Parts: sequence; C-alpha cells; structure tokens
Amino acid sequence: DTAVSQTPKYLVTQMGNDKSIKCEQNLGHDTMYWYKQDSKKFLKIMFSYNNKELIINETVPNRFSPKSPDKAHLNLHINSLELGDSAVYFCASSQVLSTTNEKLFFGSGTQLSVL
Amino acid sequence: QKEVEQDPGPLSVPEGAIVSLNCTYSNSAFQYFMWYRQYSRKGPELLMYTYSSGNKEDGRFTAQVDKSSKYISLFIRDSQPSDSATYLCAMTGSARQLTFGSGTQLTVLP
Repeated sequence: DTAVSQTPKYLVTQMGNDKSIKCEQNLGHDTMYWYKQDSKKFLKIMFSYNNKELIINETVPNRFSPKSPDKAHLNLHINSLELGDSAVYFCASSQVLSTTNEKLFFGSGTQLSVL
Repeated sequence: QKEVEQDPGPLSVPEGAIVSLNCTYSNSAFQYFMWYRQYSRKGPELLMYTYSSGNKEDGRFTAQVDKSSKYISLFIRDSQPSDSATYLCAMTGSARQLTFGSGTQLTVLP
C-alpha cells in the first residue's frame, strides 16, 4: 500500500511538448512538495502546498504549473519542455515533527527525459 | 557557495568497514540535522535526525553534529552490501523547509 505514489515512472518526450506528472498520498498529511533532482543527485525544492494552498514557489520557470485539487493530490504540469528539464522529479508529503522540523515521505520519482 | 556541502563520492568500501559520511554547512540558524538514504531508482527515506549538537545512535548508524564547526557526520558500523545507496544530509533552521546536501554515493562490496 504505497504511501506516496506518482505516475508515470518514466516520461520520454520531445522538446516543446507539454506533459503532466500526477502525485497522490494516503498518509493524511497537509503539506506536499515537488522536488527536482539533477544528475548529480542534488534535490532542489520547486513548490510546496499546504491544504491545497501554494506556500512555496521557488525560482522555477512559469512553464511549470502545480495544481492541488485536494490535500491528497499534487500534480505538476510542464509546458514547452526544454532539454534542461530532463531530471528526476519527486513528489513528497510532510509529517510535521515540530514547528521547525518535518519528515518527508517521497514518491519513487518520475524520470523525465526530453529529447 | 551552497548552504550545505557534501562530498559526492563515489565511496567504495569492503563489507564490514566503518563508513564516515560528512556534510558542512554555512547557516548557523540550522538546528535539526537529518540523514536520508536513497536507493537506486527510489525516493529518499529518512534514516535518522538529531537536534542541535551531540550524537545519536540507532543500531549500526550514529549521527554526530558539531555546531561549533558546522560539521555533521553519519557513521555506519559493520557496513553491509544492503547499505549501498546515496546518503543525503538535510537541515532545517527557523522554518520547516529542508535544505539538502548533494548526496554521497556509497557502495559496500561483498
């Protein structure tokens, strides 16, 4: 019973296309994230939603648009894909441990390859 | 300069070795220090976390924090091939948002 599931696992597409990645969590958490992991394994936060509201929007091209229909789902739509968008995209949900600490539960990632 | 620096490796050790993984950081506001383990083609998962300076032990794993030097370590005793993974340090300060290191790839050879 997967806690954080994201689809698809692999996405291969041409430059200029539009694609979406879906994420769902069954942990009952209020906060969800999108992270991008580059080829050197560096995890960079992209967006954070708390109870369907956008709370963190890092410096990400506006070709990336997150959508949260409810607190269990956070999807990512990418327009006009570019070669530099190739990476692994992780969805995560957050268990609050304290006011300044949280435990993240990650999905298995979506490997995006833009040709 | 990144807020959190981590030697990317790769690090390769024989089974049974003691492994030391390290991170340095520049933000003195960081208070919680975490280690995530990421197996190949999987998402990271929390291994352990510590608050402020000191040591914390969990089985074969020991996390150590030296806030005066802005240096944290993860020690793995009696390393096993199943410990082969990328280890990412992460930290939080005044807010809950985590700042990650870039990860160290570890291979434990049987």
